[in-house]
Amino acid sequence: NAGVTQTPKFRILKIGQSMTLQCTQDMNHNYMYWYRQDPGMGLKLIYYSVGAGITDKGEVPNGYNVSRSTTEDFPLRLELAAPSQTSVYFCASSYSGDGSGNTIYFGEGSWLTVV
Amino acid sequence: AQKVTQAQTEISVVEKEDVTLDCVYETRDTTYYLFWYKQPPSGELVFLIRRNSFDEQNEISGRYSWNFQKSTSSFNFTITASQVVDSAVYFCALSEAPGETSGSRLTFGEGTQLTVNP
Repeated sequence: NAGVTQTPKFRILKIGQSMTLQCTQDMNHNYMYWYRQDPGMGLKLIYYSVGAGITDKGEVPNGYNVSRSTTEDFPLRLELAAPSQTSVYFCASSYSGDGSGNTIYFGEGSWLTVV
Repeated sequence: AQKVTQAQTEISVVEKEDVTLDCVYETRDTTYYLFWYKQPPSGELVFLIRRNSFDEQNEISGRYSWNFQKSTSSFNFTITASQVVDSAVYFCALSEAPGETSGSRLTFGEGTQLTVNP
């Protein structure tokens, strides 16, 4: 019963480097999301996807890219890492057919530091 | 645009005290969902409750209770007889009704750090 799995859990990047945060879910959810949480703040939506092949920007998309080639996977790519991207990243998923409302499942978070 | 305000940045109480965490929201939607999450020091998000906009009944779960008042756009969370293990950051969040093009996007408040001292 894996749920939403994110990797890596911790990463230190140098300014200008690129990396991909992986996110996979095994619940056949059509909706997936990436949030970031800056120190002492709430989560903000970076990107989301309502199905394979469909992605859209959230509140803070600059500096990130996403793709959704399969229902299960929703990777988040940082192309040119900047110190402002030091944050905790959370992937989440939910199911549109959830008759009881929208239950949202979160991964455990990925701590990223850019130095 | 949706907005969630948690005016209390930090609260410190002594064990066994009751504590209420405030949450005020703004939305133009008539159908929406409200959530509370707990984030312990380990960092994961723990789901506590979801409430839809048509259900204003208060809810109690053990030492936890929630008071939803549409008239004041508030969804407050009370912990009765607080314990040290309740120490965490608590987030209130709001989402519109799930949509084919919007999913269930959450708007979070900035959180309230609760410290329960022995």
